[in-house]
Amino acid sequence: GQQLNQSPQSMFIQEGEDVSMNCTSSSIFNTWLWYKQDPGEGPVLLIALYKAGELTSNGRLTAQFGITRKDSFLNISASIPSDVGIYFCAGLPSYNTDKLIFGTGTRLQVFP
Amino acid sequence: SAVISQKPSRDICQRGTSLTIQCQVDSQVTMMFWYRQQPGQSLTLIATANQGSEATYESGFVIDKFPISRPNLTFSTLTVSNMSPEDSSIYLCSVEDYGGYTFGSGTRLTVV
Repeated sequence: GQQLNQSPQSMFIQEGEDVSMNCTSSSIFNTWLWYKQDPGEGPVLLIALYKAGELTSNGRLTAQFGITRKDSFLNISASIPSDVGIYFCAGLPSYNTDKLIFGTGTRLQVFP
Repeated sequence: SAVISQKPSRDICQRGTSLTIQCQVDSQVTMMFWYRQQPGQSLTLIATANQGSEATYESGFVIDKFPISRPNLTFSTLTVSNMSPEDSSIYLCSVEDYGGYTFGSGTRLTVV
């Protein structure tokens, strides 16, 4: 099935640094979601975006719905050790708004 | 948001056998979704389960291999049939929830 292109694949950063990751598609999306998955757990929703250009924050996390509706990015400011995990973008494409499609994931490692 | 209980959380199974995974939601939902997450990979939608009708399967997944039941609006099961080592994955159920999608904690299946 279709997957969204997510980059970078992995990141190794120092505590306190900012992080940016993005997700792109060849199709138009109506909704973008960002999830974090910890080992042994299911993905947990961080931020949901519903309109082109929308910029939404959740604490140190900020995400934007790209103006072309084909991309989204997630920023994490002042990273801390508990930010470690795998981050997934996910979206509902305009051609099928019932089917959530996932990105390939970004593995984040934070060193103290 | 909805709370999803998934059982079992993990299992080790012999090849050729079948395993049924249960998903219980604390509220009534129209659609329930089953995903597979192969080791180190992203999530791939297996099928969508509606109460009172047959599940809709994604390309590459068939009912004989992954039969699904949806007896009521709060419960669903996914069976992984005639298992082989290639079926070793995390299987997750999900529901749509207030504009996002909530996931269970997953069933980690190892086939030996």
